[in-house]
Amino acid sequence: GESVGLHLPTLSVQEGDNSIINCAYSNSASDYFIWYKQESGKGPQFIIDIRSNMDKRQGQRVTVLLNKTVKHLSLQIAATQPGDSAVYFCAENFGNEKLTFGTGTRLTIIP
Amino acid sequence: GAGVSQSPSNKVTEKGKDVELRCDPISGHTALYWYRQSLGQGLEFLIYFQGNSAPDKSGLPSDRFSAERTGGSVSTLTIQRTQQEDSAVYLCASSLSRAFNYGYTFGSGTRLTVV
Repeated sequence: GESVGLHLPTLSVQEGDNSIINCAYSNSASDYFIWYKQESGKGPQFIIDIRSNMDKRQGQRVTVLLNKTVKHLSLQIAATQPGDSAVYFCAENFGNEKLTFGTGTRLTIIP
Repeated sequence: GAGVSQSPSNKVTEKGKDVELRCDPISGHTALYWYRQSLGQGLEFLIYFQGNSAPDKSGLPSDRFSAERTGGSVSTLTIQRTQQEDSAVYLCASSLSRAFNYGYTFGSGTRLTVV
């Protein structure tokens, strides 16, 4: 079946440095991607999305890059802060009504 | 309300008992989803409601699981004869429509522990 996977389950980054979280997807028909942030005890929270007709999208301190050639998605967080510590999920949609989620990457910010 | 509300936030139940989990979606959101999140895992799709259409139940793991959505708003997920492997966080989400804009809005989940 189709799946969304992450290269690393954990990532530790020094406060103030930039973080890059990667995601591989396997369905070339996927046309919409979302990054979610999940803090402990809370539900996932939308961060940023991107459609397949785009390569890059920027938000506040976050950038999502989409490489359709290698079916790769990344989330870049600039100048990480302690509040960025969380589990980050990528999710994909391929024209139906459901999102398929990856396992998640736990980001830890080192003070 | 302003967000998706789930209750209870925590539920401990004995193996073999039935449980009901409740979700109040954002007012006006026509689509409602249930996902399950086991410890250290991603989100597993369970069931999807869209307006008055028949629900997509393709993710329900067994016939012990069922869900309903009354009046196009509140949804209840029922697990009968609970097993220890049912222990997980059950997340509800809603969205305006099947045309994704900003994806879903999730509730905080119900943490179910079967002992």
